[in-house]
Amino acid sequence: KNEVEQSPQNLTAQEGEFITINCSYSVGISALHWLQQHPGGGIVSLFMLSSGKKKHGRLIATINIQEKHSSLHITASHPRDSAVYICAAISQGGSEKLVFGKGTKLTVNP
Amino acid sequence: EPEVTQTPSHQVTQMGQEVILRCVPISNHLYFYWYRQILGQKVEFLVSFYNNEISEKSEIFDDQFSVERPDGSNFTLKIRSTKLEDSAMYFCASSFNRGTEQYFGPGTRLTVT
Repeated sequence: KNEVEQSPQNLTAQEGEFITINCSYSVGISALHWLQQHPGGGIVSLFMLSSGKKKHGRLIATINIQEKHSSLHITASHPRDSAVYICAAISQGGSEKLVFGKGTKLTVNP
Repeated sequence: EPEVTQTPSHQVTQMGQEVILRCVPISNHLYFYWYRQILGQKVEFLVSFYNNEISEKSEIFDDQFSVERPDGSNFTLKIRSTKLEDSAMYFCASSFNRGTEQYFGPGTRLTVT
């Protein structure tokens, strides 16, 4: 059974700061998603990655398969980045289900 | 940009009633999913659906739940006899292929009283 853990649970930053959110998982995976959940509840997919690094605007996601660890970085953070960031993994072996972490609540203050 | 839509956005029902939650996946996607999130808890997988049949389901998805693709566009989740503990946000998602990025709908908040 795959367990997905995130840290920190809560993160408060000042506008402009560099943010890192960490995700670790317990079994081999075929892919990992980073998702953003806004206060209204809606979920937006940010990245799906299975190796290396992906960048989209100010967001960067990295994954280290050997260490079973992924990070989401936000450069030059802005109050509009305030949201819950969730990592979710798909285990190897043909499963399609996403196993979710508990999420990291990010608050960026002006 | 194509998006997954869900209706209704909020459903209030009495315990024991049947509810149907509706989703319209992205039109060229082939895989469909339902997830739920109880308030304050993590998102949980319920079921995946491909080629008009369930491809995977979780232990949560018991006989009270069913899914259907009644036509070429809708994907529904039915809960036959709702319980208080079914109160949650239900998310539909779709993907083009197995193992590709999943796109989520805005969710339906189900409140069982």
